[in-house]
Amino acid sequence: EEQLVESGGGLVQPGGSLRLSCVASRFTFSNSWMAWVRQAPGKGLEWVANIKPDGSETYYVGSVKGRFTISRDNAKNSLYLQMNSLTADDTAVYYCARHRVQGRPDLDVWGQGTTVTVSS
Amino acid sequence: QSVLTQPPSVSAAPGQKVSISCYGSSTNIGKNYVSWYQQLPGTAPKLLIYDNNERYSGIPDRFSGSKSGTSATLGITGLQTGDEADYYCGTWDSSLRAVVFGGGTTLTVL
Repeated sequence: EEQLVESGGGLVQPGGSLRLSCVASRFTFSNSWMAWVRQAPGKGLEWVANIKPDGSETYYVGSVKGRFTISRDNAKNSLYLQMNSLTADDTAVYYCARHRVQGRPDLDVWGQGTTVTVSS
Repeated sequence: QSVLTQPPSVSAAPGQKVSISCYGSSTNIGKNYVSWYQQLPGTAPKLLIYDNNERYSGIPDRFSGSKSGTSATLGITGLQTGDEADYYCGTWDSSLRAVVFGGGTTLTVL
């Protein structure tokens, strides 16, 4: 069964930085569009960013543009999210997810999530 | 405010059926495929429906999806207590160039 495992979450002060990682297994990571989705406490899902299989295209939700960077290392089957200038509004569980097929928005494999808390 | 609009909650008795609506616009649902997700308490979301009405692998036929114009609907028949969860619709918004989700609907099986 395909698997995604996130890590890197934690407590960070406002204005700080954090880098999330996601390791994929049991599927061909290098052929897959990948995404980060977050969920603030008690709130709904919010797509954060996604990235093309070769890393040449990336897309972001408006609220994180210029602060967050999605990247990948296909040799390591790994996806990353570099988060800078963090604010309390970035507090959430961050999920790594796979787009089922290219050109479709649906996400068929999800990690268990990693929690980011931005607080002084 | 979410780009896609869902009712905050729905409820029905075991064995009954329920429909969850998702309203969007011409830039999202109107021109792109819709998917539906189930999120059980404390767990990651799970894909139920993709391409408007296709059930994902392993999803029972009690779950169905449909789309008409700028709205979509998730149907669940033969409700079970295990169906109690939050349900989200999602699609691509061609104007925002972003994946967008509805605000989520909490299903209670009374």
